[in-house]
Amino acid sequence: QQQVKQSPQSLIVQKGGISIINCAYENTAFDYFPWYQQFPGKGPALLIAIRPDVSEKKEGRFTISFNKSAKQFSLHIMDSQPGDSATYFCAAAVASGGSYIPTFGRGTSLIVHP
Amino acid sequence: DAEITQSPRHKITETGRQVTLACHQTWNHNNMFWYRQDLGHGLRLIHYSYGVQDTNKGEVSDGYSVSRSNTEDLPLTLESAASSQTSVYFCASSEAGGRTGELFFGEGSRLTVL
Repeated sequence: QQQVKQSPQSLIVQKGGISIINCAYENTAFDYFPWYQQFPGKGPALLIAIRPDVSEKKEGRFTISFNKSAKQFSLHIMDSQPGDSATYFCAAAVASGGSYIPTFGRGTSLIVHP
Repeated sequence: DAEITQSPRHKITETGRQVTLACHQTWNHNNMFWYRQDLGHGLRLIHYSYGVQDTNKGEVSDGYSVSRSNTEDLPLTLESAASSQTSVYFCASSEAGGRTGELFFGEGSRLTVL
């Protein structure tokens, strides 16, 4: 059973456009929702994260929107740039043993054309 | 600078052989994780550890084992490699009880089982 569903699997956007990646979860115990960015040949790195007590978090061109009642959250990349081309993973986590262990979505491959 | 390193970065082995992938971190993090990344499946948790002498099974632990004898290292062993274990393996670490739950990933080990 896939606990975190991510869509689309791939996304192509023109430079300057908006990239939107969506995720949905089932487990209402999740209380931490990070997004990771991965460039080819590299490990994933934390991009931005949100907790369910807020509906939106913005860091530069990257915004997470969170809908607790619908159990959905999304990543918006404004003014997308070719350097944003990467694989993006959403994740959801619940504290276990005092630490968070994220469950990842299947990833979205983003290509931004110049 | 603190870092997390994996070795080897690339390995080709034969079915039935024992393989060990090394992971070493200098963050002094208590938590360490092993994930595998496969196209269409995203990142799936294999094993994790909260500290020395502690190990726990993840979502896809069959055929894998780990041991934690010190804070810095969490080697992943494939007892008898199978073709289904051809994958890219990522080690990660995080701060125990850290509020952000951020995972710091290595650059991955690509394993091919022939």
